[in-house]
Amino acid sequence: GAGVSQSPRYKVAKRGQDVALRCDPISGHVSLFWYQQALGQGPEFLTYFQNEAQLDKSGLPSDRFFAERPEGSVSTLKIQRTQQEDSAVYLCASSLARTSEAFFGQGTRLTVV
Amino acid sequence: AQSVTQLGSHVSVSEGALVLLRCNYSSSVPPYLFWYVQYPNQGLQLLLKYTSAATLVKGINGFEAEFKKSETSFHLTKPSAHMSDAAEYFCAVSLGTGGFKTIFGAGTRLFVKA
Repeated sequence: GAGVSQSPRYKVAKRGQDVALRCDPISGHVSLFWYQQALGQGPEFLTYFQNEAQLDKSGLPSDRFFAERPEGSVSTLKIQRTQQEDSAVYLCASSLARTSEAFFGQGTRLTVV
Repeated sequence: AQSVTQLGSHVSVSEGALVLLRCNYSSSVPPYLFWYVQYPNQGLQLLLKYTSAATLVKGINGFEAEFKKSETSFHLTKPSAHMSDAAEYFCAVSLGTGGFKTIFGAGTRLFVKA
């Protein structure tokens, strides 16, 4: 596609529900990143994939957070047993290679009630 | 470890006035530095980046930033503000331009008064 696409754009979950957030990177982009942006804050790194390999997951806040990119293209960020503190915008970014500019999607706004 | 500090969570300027958004960084190795802009309900858009070439970097929409190693600063400027510049601006630091996690500042919201 023309840009990084994320779905859904908005998600409301009841506390305790599991959610899955999808990221379609730009075709051919090797690197894929997930960030969490709380209200009024800058994005915070969650995890990084190079193709299908998850090379860095140091930013995932707890074991309730899980990300995958099984075929090196689409990625899914899953949050189990959602808590109110998980409410944030989740941003996905992709880049062509290690030295290329990262392009961001519009994000998924998750609200846990 | 790397970190970014943006001075001022809100900046207000009049249309046509100089825009100055301040950013200081900390990095144990030569950094890559970025400025991003975020419009409401939009993703981040890259304004400009410093990658150890020229210290004065020109970006899109008339913005530029100067890397000053002695001051560990990377302030963003624009000579004349437009109403359309009203947005959230993020300074960021990374070990590289891609394939490395990027550390973002808390952001500065720019207001432009008519």
